[in-house]
Amino acid sequence: SYVLTQPPSVSVAPGQTARITCGGNNIARKSVHWYQQKPGQAPALVVYDDAARPSGIPERFSGSNSENTATLTISRVEAGDEADYYCQVWDTFSDHVVFGGGTKLTVL
Amino acid sequence: EVQLVESGGGLVQPGRSLRLSCTASGFTFGDYPMIWVRQAPGKGLEWVGFIRSKAYGGTTEYAASVKGRVTISRDDSKSIAYLQMNSLKPEDTAVYYCGREIGGSYFVQAWDHWGQGTLVTVSS
Repeated sequence: SYVLTQPPSVSVAPGQTARITCGGNNIARKSVHWYQQKPGQAPALVVYDDAARPSGIPERFSGSNSENTATLTISRVEAGDEADYYCQVWDTFSDHVVFGGGTKLTVL
Repeated sequence: EVQLVESGGGLVQPGRSLRLSCTASGFTFGDYPMIWVRQAPGKGLEWVGFIRSKAYGGTTEYAASVKGRVTISRDDSKSIAYLQMNSLKPEDTAVYYCGREIGGSYFVQAWDHWGQGTLVTVSS
């Protein structure tokens, strides 16, 4: 089965740029989606199809996908961005949905 | 406004069954695939399964961890998706979320709307 690997945690100071990676075999061949989840809340889609943003998501959130790593980039990080972030793909081979293990973003 | 509301969670003994419901509003329910995802206490998101729209056969897929014990179905006339869980185990204890697929096609990609979740606790 397809596996997505994320770092458990990322820390960044306010105003700086946070980069959260999602590793997978030839992940560039897949569409990667990113979710933000704050404590006690449901997940919220912040980036889909590698780099597109749903309506209402600030431009500070962006995504990229190359070779074996997809990246969620959060520019000008704010305290309110502190959350768990999950990457997700649809594995066409197995017809299964796959989530990464999640990354806790801490704003220092 | 798209809304998804899960219900049916609660405390259940190991080995028993439970059916969760996801009641949708604000969109043409029958046009969209629906997903169930769970989150054990202090853990990450785990995909449980999804169901496609009838236009694409209403096919279902399940995670290996639950396959054979769960069934996802849908009643498009009522705008409800169901998650039937049998032979429940303590490790099934989690918050269960339902979600709607973003594009309504065969190619299930991102899930852009989610319910608030319902807690299932499996314990004697």
